[in-house]
Amino acid sequence: QSALTQPASVSGSPGQSITISCTGTSSDVGTYVYVSWYQHHPDKAPKLMIYEVNNRPSGVSDRFSGSKSGNTASLTISGLQAEDEADYYCSSYTSTNTVLFGGGTKLTVL
Amino acid sequence: EVQLLESGGGLVQPGGSLRLSCAASGFIFSDYVMTWVRQAPGKGLEWVSAISGGGTITYYADSVKGRLTVSRDNSKNTVYLQMNSLRAEDTAIYYCAKSLFPASSPVDGSDIWGQGTMVTVSS
Repeated sequence: QSALTQPASVSGSPGQSITISCTGTSSDVGTYVYVSWYQHHPDKAPKLMIYEVNNRPSGVSDRFSGSKSGNTASLTISGLQAEDEADYYCSSYTSTNTVLFGGGTKLTVL
Repeated sequence: EVQLLESGGGLVQPGGSLRLSCAASGFIFSDYVMTWVRQAPGKGLEWVSAISGGGTITYYADSVKGRLTVSRDNSKNTVYLQMNSLRAEDTAIYYCAKSLFPASSPVDGSDIWGQGTMVTVSS
């Protein structure tokens, strides 16, 4: 199975909003609500930011939100802050009882 | 405190074997699916395998099926990844992770991750 499709990079200035897309197929993103988003800083463990498309785990800022339309899920970060600079990955449960990650998106805060 | 600690990584020759361990603490280990995810140098995250809380159901990515085997010992709060017939493309940091909710399959995200253990496959 191919990885979910994410843009390689996005950027924004402090205070702005950005959106990262994650495109899959009807065998994964398009069918299941089990879409998650992770933040990954270099040399640290990945951190779960969104689960089941649009739910935030306890402790995650409400500046992070998720949505889905058809085969594409999206992560929006509002009020960008310097510490948001990281790699972001989407993941989805699939029809073959596996999980697919996206290729990752590098967020740069200008 | 909820914690995961991986061990067992190292340098191994192509075709060789290695067993990774992930020791868990701070939660009811047997209630949760445990997952292995890897990251090759300069690449993104790749889901590798998962195992149900009771250890009876296992899940694998196509890229590792038949070569990697996940298991767990709930009496020791430890999950394992037996890696056989290793290839250069298996070189990566291997993370273990705990499912967000008690479940029998890896449907939801993983909320707790270890720091990872490096596996290098090279002659």
